[in-house]
Amino acid sequence: DGGITQSPKYLFRKEGQNVTLSCEQNLNHDAMYWYRQDPGQGLRLIYYSQIVNDFQKGDIAEGYSVSREKKESFPLTVTSAQKNPTAFYLCASSKQYRDYGYTFGSGTRLTVV
Amino acid sequence: AQSVTQLDSQVPVFEEAPVELRCNYSSSVSVYLFWYVQYPNQGLQLLLKYLSGSTLVKGINGFEAEFNKSQTSFHLRKPSVHISDTAEYFCAVSVGQGGKLIFGQGTELSVKP
Repeated sequence: DGGITQSPKYLFRKEGQNVTLSCEQNLNHDAMYWYRQDPGQGLRLIYYSQIVNDFQKGDIAEGYSVSREKKESFPLTVTSAQKNPTAFYLCASSKQYRDYGYTFGSGTRLTVV
Repeated sequence: AQSVTQLDSQVPVFEEAPVELRCNYSSSVSVYLFWYVQYPNQGLQLLLKYLSGSTLVKGINGFEAEFNKSQTSFHLRKPSVHISDTAEYFCAVSVGQGGKLIFGQGTELSVKP
């Protein structure tokens, strides 16, 4: 079955370390997105990519980086510059059509100690 | 700028009671509207969507929503809730070119026995 796979589900890192979250989709979707979710703050867009080798900053891009070398993959790196990295991270993908909506991965919970 | 407002951050309700989760949007152009559900520590799943046609949209798990253009609302309803409906619910609107979604802040539905 097609879908989005995020790995790992839980991730622990020491403060000051960079960490990369994986997101892979086999839906042949054009666009991919990364969101951060904190209690009571809904979904906040970090980065999105509408086509391979191109991506745009979202509302809270500082301290994060992404790449889109393949259509299927959109990894997110949480750098040491991100002041409060502990959060639940969600990856999503969609076709480039307004009526399509998003398909979400199951999320990665990052805890920095 | 387009925005989505979910009017209640938390909605407690007893099992088998009806429930309405409210969503208002602001947009000067035609929109496509979505409701998603998120269970704890999981990604978001699509409940239903309004694209065009009938203003009453039926979704999964017995949920339905009504699009009201004059009031710019898209409220979600269920006539009789179950304990298993306890989750967070997100309203979203698709605007502009491509498929980018704008999400509301979420409503936490808590169903009590």
